[in-house]
Formats: sequence, C-alpha cells, structure tokens
Amino acid sequence: AQSVSQHNHHVILSEAASLELGCNYSYGGTVNLFWYVQYPGQHLQLLLKYFSGDPLVKGIKGFEAEFIKSKFSFNLRKPSVQWSDTAEYFCAVSTTSGTYKYIFGTGTRLKVLA
Amino acid sequence: DAMVIQNPRYQVTQFGKPVTLSCSQTLNHNVMYWYQQKSSQAPKLLFHYYDKDFNNEADTPDNFQSRRPNTSFCFLDIRSPGLGDAAMYLCATSTHTSGRQYFGPGTRLTVL
Repeated sequence: AQSVSQHNHHVILSEAASLELGCNYSYGGTVNLFWYVQYPGQHLQLLLKYFSGDPLVKGIKGFEAEFIKSKFSFNLRKPSVQWSDTAEYFCAVSTTSGTYKYIFGTGTRLKVLA
Repeated sequence: DAMVIQNPRYQVTQFGKPVTLSCSQTLNHNVMYWYQQKSSQAPKLLFHYYDKDFNNEADTPDNFQSRRPNTSFCFLDIRSPGLGDAAMYLCATSTHTSGRQYFGPGTRLTVL
C-alpha cells in the first residue's frame, strides 16, 4: 500500500535557523509530490509541487524541496526561518495513474521562536 | 476570486442528530473531495467525486454520505453523528490533469 512518512512530528527552531523537514513515500510508480502548509486557524495552502523536470523545486515564501527518486524522498528546506513560519507542514503524494487522490503524511508541527 | 467555500465554518450538533456540511467552488474543477481532519492528524480522505462519479474510500463509515448535485456544489451528510465524528471537515477540488488540490477553510464540527 502507498504511504507517506514524515519523520519529524514536532520541530522547534529559533529565528534564522535553517529548516529541513523529511518526507519519504512508498510507491513504485510515477508520483506527483506536494508540500502544504497550514497556519494556525487557516486552510491548507500549497507551498510547492513537483511533477517532473528539475528535481529541485522552489516554492513560495523562500521554501524549496528536492526530489530524490532513488531515496523516495521529497524533503522541504528553508535556509532561514521566521517566526511567521510557525505552522503545520504536510507532505502529500499522488500517483499519476488517474486515481486523483492524495496520500498525506502525518504532518510536522513547526514552532519558530522569536 | 475563484475559490473553495465551505459553510458553515463552525457547526454544533447533538449526538445522533443528522447534519449537512456544504462546499461550493468557483474553479469549475471536475474533482471534489471530502476529508476529515482530527487534531494533530493528517487529513483523511472520506470520498471524492470525479464529475458525477462517486468514489468512496473503503474505510469510510456508512454514516457518512455525500451528494454532488452539480459541478459547483458538494454536500457531506452525517446521518447519526457520534462523539468520534467531531473533527474539521475539509473540502478540496482539483482538475484531473493538474493533481494539485485547492482546499477550503474547513468546517469544524462539534458533537454534544
């Protein structure tokens, strides 16, 4: 069965620290990959997505992610976090074989200390 | 702005009293989804529509039903809510070609 793992459930960083959140998936076929962010009290918003091409994807608010096919990973990074990045981050995977469904990871709750 | 709208944002119901949550979209997307999200958990897909074709997840309880009368609207009916059904319910849309899903703000359901 397909699954998505996010290894860090809670992360606490100080402002200006670098961030890397892990995401691994299990699926043997071609996938589309997404990172969503959910700020407190707000709806899920797309940070970035990977469909094909350059495996290093840049998203909004200075976030980027790298798809490493051999490792089935799509880790999210930001060189310098801000207090406003405090949120929950979800990795999601959808297959390209027409089922139109996401498999979500369990999420990582990031708290950035001012 | 084109968007996904959910009403109401907060819904309180009593144990066993049927409740309907609504979702509308101005994106003209052909796929609509309903998710249940409990605190500190990932959104859990309940079902989705591809146009009028309904696709139920295998582990979605029978207590949960859905209707999609037209492209723009989709409803989630909970026939007999239990305390365990208290959660945030998220509606999302996508086109079948893009894969990206657009989420509404959610309806927080409280069951007394």
